[in-house]
Amino acid sequence: GAGVSQSPRYKVTKRGQDVALRCDPISGHVSLYWYRQALGQGPEFLTYFNYEAQQDKSGLPNDRFSAERPEGSISTLTIQRTEQRDSAMYRCASSLARTANEQFFGPGTRLTVL
Amino acid sequence: QKEVEQNSGPLSVPEGAIASLNCTYSDRVSQSFFWYRQYSGKSPELIMSIYSNGDKEDGRFTAQLNKASQYVSLLIRDSQPSDSATYLCAVKDLNTGNQFYFGTGTSLTVIP
Repeated sequence: GAGVSQSPRYKVTKRGQDVALRCDPISGHVSLYWYRQALGQGPEFLTYFNYEAQQDKSGLPNDRFSAERPEGSISTLTIQRTEQRDSAMYRCASSLARTANEQFFGPGTRLTVL
Repeated sequence: QKEVEQNSGPLSVPEGAIASLNCTYSDRVSQSFFWYRQYSGKSPELIMSIYSNGDKEDGRFTAQLNKASQYVSLLIRDSQPSDSATYLCAVKDLNTGNQFYFGTGTSLTVIP
């Protein structure tokens, strides 16, 4: 079956532009997580959803970052007025149930801000 | 966010040896513990989970948990070159939510 997909896989943008990163979780998965991973580091928690409800956004670095999952399936992470320090791999993961312990990661979106 | 610390390595072991990976965490209420493997340029994949004190074995992998010491480890027996990857420790606390917190990872190289 299809795994978690993310698009675009690579995004190069100029400083100050807005970007939208998309995550399509495994069908039927309730929970969806967003992470940011810098080179040589572990994934850094950003936010997560159960169905369409955003449960925790404490990991979002500042108010330029936002996320939504309006229909409880596809999610979009938006970064407004991008800065060079936003350059990283952005990873999405989904899990079958709220209390499920196995997450399935997508391939990530490599964001480069020039 | 929770503090999850790992030795960044790199750790090198000869083929067939035991690789030992360690992780400490800051929060005594953390309940669930995980080891992920991440090959270079790839996404993390779950290889072991452990919830109770003691050892849990799965093939060549053994996870060890000591909640009193806030310590979790992963042993890889009969290490193979295909085990060369970064190993990420993660913790989850059901009391405060279902978010996972990851360490920085330990890079392991198994030398043929």
